[in-house]
Amino acid sequence: KQEVTQIPAALSVPEGENLVLNCSFTDSAIYNLQWFRQDPGKGLTSLLLIQSSQREQTSGRLNASLDKSSGRSTLYIAASQPGDSATYLCAVRRGGGADGLTFGKGTHLIIQP
Amino acid sequence: DVKVTQSSRYLVKRTGEKVFLECVQDMDHENMFWYRQDPGLGLRLIYFSYDVKMKEKGDIPEGYSVSREKKERFSLILESASTNQTSMYLCASSIREGKLFFGSGTQLSVL
Repeated sequence: KQEVTQIPAALSVPEGENLVLNCSFTDSAIYNLQWFRQDPGKGLTSLLLIQSSQREQTSGRLNASLDKSSGRSTLYIAASQPGDSATYLCAVRRGGGADGLTFGKGTHLIIQP
Repeated sequence: DVKVTQSSRYLVKRTGEKVFLECVQDMDHENMFWYRQDPGLGLRLIYFSYDVKMKEKGDIPEGYSVSREKKERFSLILESASTNQTSMYLCASSIREGKLFFGSGTQLSVL
């Protein structure tokens, strides 16, 4: 059974720093991996989707990488801002077909002004 | 812009009541999902649907049922609500294996 782990569970950094969030998964036979952001009491907002054949995706100050063989993905946030404070979750999709995702439990990020 | 709409942000129900949570998407997506999210447990899949009238059980379907009579609407039904079903419920949709889009969630309290 696929397991997704996100370390650390919580992170607090000063504004302006570049930071990396980690996501690891146990079964490398994935179809894609998606990073989400969740604000308190809200739904999840999709940030980046990486297909299994891709190595990375970029959107603005965010860059996500995927190393399928080692079961790892990272989300890099450049020049962090207080508005980046949220919980970040990664999720992997199992194989093809109308199947669900396996989510990590997230990294709670606080950017100190 | 993509939109997934959940009918209620907050809901308070009594034990034993039948509860309907509604979700509508405007993107003509084949796949729709219901998750619940609890502190320390993360997101858990309750049910998903890959077409009208088609459904598959997720990891925790006990105590829940679903209905998908139209492509844009996926309903989650709690047949007889219990206190352990107090949770945040999240609906999502996607095309095939594409990007997943979530609604804003329904915080359900069962008293």
